[in-house]
Amino acid sequence: EADIYQTPRYLVIGTGKKITLECSQTMGHDKMYWYQQDPGMELHLIHYSYGVNSTEKGDLSSESTVSRIRTEHFPLTLESARPSHTSQYLCASRNQQGLGSPLHFGNGTRLTVT
Amino acid sequence: QQQVKQSPQSLIVQKGGISIINCAYENTAFDYFPWYQQFPGKGPALLIAIRPDVSEKKEGRFTISFNKSAKQFSLHIMDSQPGDSATYFCAASKAGGTSYGKLTFGQGTILTVHP
Repeated sequence: EADIYQTPRYLVIGTGKKITLECSQTMGHDKMYWYQQDPGMELHLIHYSYGVNSTEKGDLSSESTVSRIRTEHFPLTLESARPSHTSQYLCASRNQQGLGSPLHFGNGTRLTVT
Repeated sequence: QQQVKQSPQSLIVQKGGISIINCAYENTAFDYFPWYQQFPGKGPALLIAIRPDVSEKKEGRFTISFNKSAKQFSLHIMDSQPGDSATYFCAASKAGGTSYGKLTFGQGTILTVHP
């Protein structure tokens, strides 16, 4: 069982609000990722980090931002939420060793912006 | 640009049957091909993975078949069980540079196994 935690599990918020989705892992993994999962299931990489103070944008453009001040913590922030941000957000991590080490996913945050 | 195409979108099989999910990729630089399984309310979890130096990998009832020349790979679930009902994702990754470890996922297949 992977130890990666996301909070909150569900969030309903009004347009224009600032939100932060939390992600923490206790495995000491260097690499962390944020994926956005559409209602139609597909996962798109929106941010990733290879270590403290390292963040990069993923393949899918996103208005969200991330930070990596501590190894175990990789929060995602939306400064002004919009209905188009409604989606499920999945955080993942993996260790540094080898291409074949698996991604460990959290259980996601389902965000609804009204 | 969809670099990994997965089919079918949904699949219904009877208990004991064989479930087959197919994926095709475009980027010949991909060299790691995992399959993830996702249950409702949970994040995806690694099921099985293959590198292109082998054509098949088997773990229990789950088998990956890989065809490098056709740029295709598939997941076979033998003796499918109701507990296998989940969403399955294929994925691909390439080593090196800024792409190291970043997975590109297929669109997902919802598998339903009827008892």
